[in-house]
Amino acid sequence: DAKTTQPPSMDCAEGRAANLPCNHSTISGNEYVYWYRQIHSQGPQYIIHGLKNNETNEMASLIITEDRKSSTLILPHATLRDTAVYYCIVGYSGGGADGLTFGKGTHLIIQP
Amino acid sequence: SAVISQKPSRDICQRGTSLTIQCQVDSQVTMMFWYRQQPGQSLTLIATANQGSEATYESGFVIDKFPISRPNLTFSTLTVSNMSPEDSSIYLCSVGSLYTGIKNTEAFFGQGTRLTVV
Repeated sequence: DAKTTQPPSMDCAEGRAANLPCNHSTISGNEYVYWYRQIHSQGPQYIIHGLKNNETNEMASLIITEDRKSSTLILPHATLRDTAVYYCIVGYSGGGADGLTFGKGTHLIIQP
Repeated sequence: SAVISQKPSRDICQRGTSLTIQCQVDSQVTMMFWYRQQPGQSLTLIATANQGSEATYESGFVIDKFPISRPNLTFSTLTVSNMSPEDSSIYLCSVGSLYTGIKNTEAFFGQGTRLTVV
């Protein structure tokens, strides 16, 4: 079973920041937080991951609370192409060394 | 990154028949996985395709139903055997750990094979 809890859906206005929360209260000390997204009719795409510190790349930022029990993925300037299902996954690898356990994810809808 | 090609991209099959799905990667990878995504659902890991040995199946999936081959570091096949309408799903190939020895890497996914069983 997935070790994360996410809201089933969220709306965000185009051009605004999209903040997607994830709860992972049972995360172990060596487990990472990974985010993937799945645009309709495509395979999942890696976004970002982190262990303890906040992370930023060209796609998004990841904010992890100090107790590591929750995190937030931030898409700073959402566009219509960001409409997708976003999956928060915890594990010792990001799916590259072991398979991933996907939860239900958050369906993010960017409104024009 | 890795470019993954899956064939076929979609198919409509008769119940009782079998379909073999191919996954080709443009670079050598240590890990290859197969997932199933049932309509309106999330992805579920079927098995890890091991090069040179039998695949490792997740709970609820068996070799007789989903035989997997992995003859080398860039290619794998998944067969869906004796199909029923309940097998109608998207089947996705995933790869990781590009042959660099680094374990903590992200996964790359193919576009999937959309299977409809009638």
